[in-house]
Amino acid sequence: GAVVSQHPSRVICKSGTSVKIECRSLDFQATTMFWYRQFPKQSLMLMATSNEGSKATYEQGVEKDKFLINHASLTLSTLTVTSAHPEDSSFYICSARVPDRAQYFGPGTRLLVL
Amino acid sequence: DAKTTQPPSMDCAEGRAANLPCNHSTISGNEYVYWYRQIHSQGPQYIIHGLKNNETNEMASLIITEDRKSSTLILPHATLRDTAVYYCIVRVAHSYGGATNKLIFGTGTLLAVQP
Repeated sequence: GAVVSQHPSRVICKSGTSVKIECRSLDFQATTMFWYRQFPKQSLMLMATSNEGSKATYEQGVEKDKFLINHASLTLSTLTVTSAHPEDSSFYICSARVPDRAQYFGPGTRLLVL
Repeated sequence: DAKTTQPPSMDCAEGRAANLPCNHSTISGNEYVYWYRQIHSQGPQYIIHGLKNNETNEMASLIITEDRKSSTLILPHATLRDTAVYYCIVRVAHSYGGATNKLIFGTGTLLAVQP
């Protein structure tokens, strides 16, 4: 299957700082990428849809000013958690859709805010 | 997108076939059935998808009933590494934007393969 990478795999930061997570499609171009969040023992929750060259579309209840998404190229989308707080600690997962094929997921980034 | 119903958990003996059911009674004619799995602390892994015909690949087989209201994912010879949460999702495929392009995850089935 197609390969999607994420960096970093885990990050610890202090409350009030911002954290950037990168999502890359390694062997295909992705016009659309997706960002999910997963809390312990829960399912994945879609946060936003990232479209190359345009603004992201956020799901209801997700603060766009807190979770900044940039999709500047066909192989890279970034999620920045601004002014992170302990309640933002979670497992963040990106995915990319291969045209006319399935959607492939990255390995996830575990964020811990102290 | 149509909603799916899966049992919360299942056990399977190592080496035996694992049959994971999924109900999607409100599926629309243009919606596909997708299966993903998530091994602990990893991103979801694509397994298989289908529209109405049965499908098979190197990982699994997908059996879809004739009325398309339910399906079964079959892992022919389960191993300990197949222990994971399996998600059945229905979605319109081959669309390039809008709500129909999103994968919405339910609670899935935790498959525990026993030695």
